[in-house]
Amino acid sequence: GESVGLHLPTLSVQEGDNSIINCAYSNSASDYFIWYKQESGKGPQFIIDIRSNMDKRQGQRVTVLLNKTVKHLSLQIAATQPGDSAVYFCAENRPNRDDKIIFGKGTRLHILP
Amino acid sequence: DARVTQTPRHKVTEMGQEVTMRCQPILGHNTVFWYRQTMMQGLELLAYFRNRAPLDDSGMPKDRFSAEMPDATLATLKIQPSEPRDSAVYFCASGLSPRETQYFGPGTRLLVL
Repeated sequence: GESVGLHLPTLSVQEGDNSIINCAYSNSASDYFIWYKQESGKGPQFIIDIRSNMDKRQGQRVTVLLNKTVKHLSLQIAATQPGDSAVYFCAENRPNRDDKIIFGKGTRLHILP
Repeated sequence: DARVTQTPRHKVTEMGQEVTMRCQPILGHNTVFWYRQTMMQGLELLAYFRNRAPLDDSGMPKDRFSAEMPDATLATLKIQPSEPRDSAVYFCASGLSPRETQYFGPGTRLLVL
């Protein structure tokens, strides 16, 4: 029969273009945010993080933007490569929720040749 | 290159059998997490420990699951008896605190027949 699974939003991007993956969070008290990348068959891998006293942070080919006004987080990947194909998770620390990291559902990034 | 290790990487067992999964956190990390990942539910937090003490196991079915940290270098997740619905990938992660970045192991892929 047809398999039913968690429906992940998918972003398809041409190789070489920039990718922007978005994440909305609900708790205005969240003060720490992390992006993870999960490749097929592997565990989630830390990419970059940002604290709420910042609105932008850059890494190697990646930039995270934080807009606290609208509770929105984005991950920008420059010059997307085939190796960037993965599921990307945003995670937030909610101080009022047992003070631990909460993961979102994820976005699948698909690279077009 | 410090990393979280998990054993076994794959496990196939029959319904009713006991399953034990092991995790070695990164040396110096005092917080250890157990997650389960399925197509249907995504990434779910089962339990986590700080300084070997369980802080939150609300995500874990208590009647059949148990998690322990016999020492600072070993965390275990046990299922007894196992059921087909337990089939999933189980990840261990470690970090310096529940509010900091978590580093994931490669996972144990469990199939219960």
